[in-house]
Amino acid sequence: AQSVAQPEDQVNVAEGNPLTVKCTYSVSGNPYLFWYVQYPNRGLQFLLKYITGDNLVKGSYGFEAEFNKSQTSFHLKKPSALVSDSALYFCAVRDTWNYGQNFVFGPGTRLSVLP
Amino acid sequence: GAVVSQHPSRVICKSGTSVKIECRSLDFQATTMFWYRQFPKQSLMLMATSNEGSKATYEQGVEKDKFLINHASLTLSTLTVTSAHPEDSSFYICSAPRTSGGTDTQYFGPGTRLTVL
Repeated sequence: AQSVAQPEDQVNVAEGNPLTVKCTYSVSGNPYLFWYVQYPNRGLQFLLKYITGDNLVKGSYGFEAEFNKSQTSFHLKKPSALVSDSALYFCAVRDTWNYGQNFVFGPGTRLSVLP
Repeated sequence: GAVVSQHPSRVICKSGTSVKIECRSLDFQATTMFWYRQFPKQSLMLMATSNEGSKATYEQGVEKDKFLINHASLTLSTLTVTSAHPEDSSFYICSAPRTSGGTDTQYFGPGTRLTVL
């Protein structure tokens, strides 16, 4: 079975400071990991994904995530936060890259960037 | 980039009526689409997998007779909430996978907020 944990319900960070949103996962096979962002009353927007290769993945809007197999983590990071980054962030995982397979989503972390 | 649309974005209906929500993949074909439900301040919960040309696959606890899914074409899936009740009020989101570079990425619609009075 697959599962995703996002240990922090809420993360607050000052504008211009680096941000980290944590994610740990559990899968039986190789993990395929994703980050999505959701703005109020909107659908999810894809940020980045890890399939294979370099452990550091770069995505949209300056975000990046580091895959750590030994710690089963896939934390989302950004060097300098913007107020406009304030949103709900979801980590997702699945153990196959077969077309059309569903994800398991984490509970979400609300990021607030303070001006 | 890939775009998935939903219509309507917001709907208010009376208890006992039925509501249809459309999910369209605008620039790619999707043999599979997913329907999610999201309660306030909670994560997305998969309701069902919509399959073009065959029956939808429902998650445990989801009433297939209440949430009718029809995948009419390679770009359109519909979710009909039949005999809606206030407890069906929620944010409904669809997604469609698009293959790129040997794997696929899920693209999500903007969501439909259903309010049942």
